[in-house]
Amino acid sequence: GAVVSQHPSWVICKSGTSVKIECRSLDFQATTMFWYRQFPKQSLMLMATSNEGSKATYEQGVEKDKFLINHASLTLSTLTVTSAHPEDSSFYICSAHRGGGGTYEQYFGPGTRLTVT
Amino acid sequence: GQQLNQSPQSMFIQEGEDVSMNCTSSSIFNTWLWYKQEPGEGPVLLIALYKAGELTSNGRLTAQFGITRKDSFLNISASIPSDVGIYFCAGPEPGGGNKLTFGTGTQLKVEL
Repeated sequence: GAVVSQHPSWVICKSGTSVKIECRSLDFQATTMFWYRQFPKQSLMLMATSNEGSKATYEQGVEKDKFLINHASLTLSTLTVTSAHPEDSSFYICSAHRGGGGTYEQYFGPGTRLTVT
Repeated sequence: GQQLNQSPQSMFIQEGEDVSMNCTSSSIFNTWLWYKQEPGEGPVLLIALYKAGELTSNGRLTAQFGITRKDSFLNISASIPSDVGIYFCAGPEPGGGNKLTFGTGTQLKVEL
């Protein structure tokens, strides 16, 4: 168990357009989902924490109006990159926390490669 | 914020060799997680550690929770080509809810 999917796996968009990325926990309910960004040869950088039914909490330096997060259900969170620019090109990865029991394991999706031209 | 430093940054080993890597923190952690990430994929959880001194295995992988609570170690025995990837340690940020801090990563390359 603990499978997380992401869609799309890659996307190319033009500068100024918006892109939506979906993250789903397939076989468990996730009270919390996380969105990360990763640059080549670097570690994961947390962008925001998404809790079902409430507003996302953004990390310092992450523009909440640019990276819109919606966590509509216990199995789905979406990240929308609005008015994308080439510098937004990156590998975006979501993770889901199963919740309960004082555990901290996060299960990751396969990632979405975004290229903005 | 927290910083988790991993050593070595990268290693190039021969197939069949044993591998050791570590993760150190400037502060105490109550949980250590080890992940492996392959190119173009998301990280996959390998091992979770919850007690100081704990030693846990997952196949050829063995991880230990350091007794000082400021470090953790991952060993891979008899490495094979599919062990290639980046290994990250991670731990929950104190007072950060369920947020994780990730280490700098150790890139493993296996020579046939």
